[in-house]
Amino acid sequence: EAGVAQSPRYKIIEKRQSVAFWCNPISGHATLYWYQQILGQGPKLLIQFQNNGVVDDSQLPKDRFSAERLKGVDSTLKIQPAKLEDSAVYLCASSFYRGAVLVDEQFFGPGTRLTVL
Amino acid sequence: QQQVKQSPQSLIVQKGGISIINCAYENTAFDYFPWYQQFPGKGPALLIAIRPDVSEKKEGRFTISFNKSAKQFSLHIMDSQPGDSATYFCAASRTGTASKLTFGTGTRLQVTL
Repeated sequence: EAGVAQSPRYKIIEKRQSVAFWCNPISGHATLYWYQQILGQGPKLLIQFQNNGVVDDSQLPKDRFSAERLKGVDSTLKIQPAKLEDSAVYLCASSFYRGAVLVDEQFFGPGTRLTVL
Repeated sequence: QQQVKQSPQSLIVQKGGISIINCAYENTAFDYFPWYQQFPGKGPALLIAIRPDVSEKKEGRFTISFNKSAKQFSLHIMDSQPGDSATYFCAASRTGTASKLTFGTGTRLQVTL
């Protein structure tokens, strides 16, 4: 079974530029998560999708971050304009339903390391 | 209320020794406590998890101990191996919140020969 795919793996941009990250979850996983992992910290949830609908985006800085999952499969996270403090690893994770219950385990991709200069 | 505190920040253990990582939580509504293991350049992967109805769960060399009254849980790695060198994150979530995980700050474990 293929895992969660993310691209690019690394990105370096200047502050005020825009950047986009792509995630393809494990096939059949209805729930998709985007996390921000700043160096030395644990992952922090930015947004959660169930199929193509947003479940939780309470910690997403909506003035500069946006995310979409138009067809309920792959997803894009965008930052516009980027700030120095956005330097982090952006992780995508997915999970699935067993019957009507969302499984607790989340399956993570390798992440995209963003450096903002 | 949503915080999960993890210690130590880093840990060096000799091969064959016991590694112990501790976490404390504040939100008594949390009812799922996983540990994730992360190798450099990789995403976190679920290692072991526990629910508050039991005080201990063991899977191979990995054991979670859970103390509900103290709101603490810990990961014990028995017979630590160099291949266990990684960063370990505790986390917590509450049933009914669509598995929204709150992570600790991580512990970098190094197992020396």
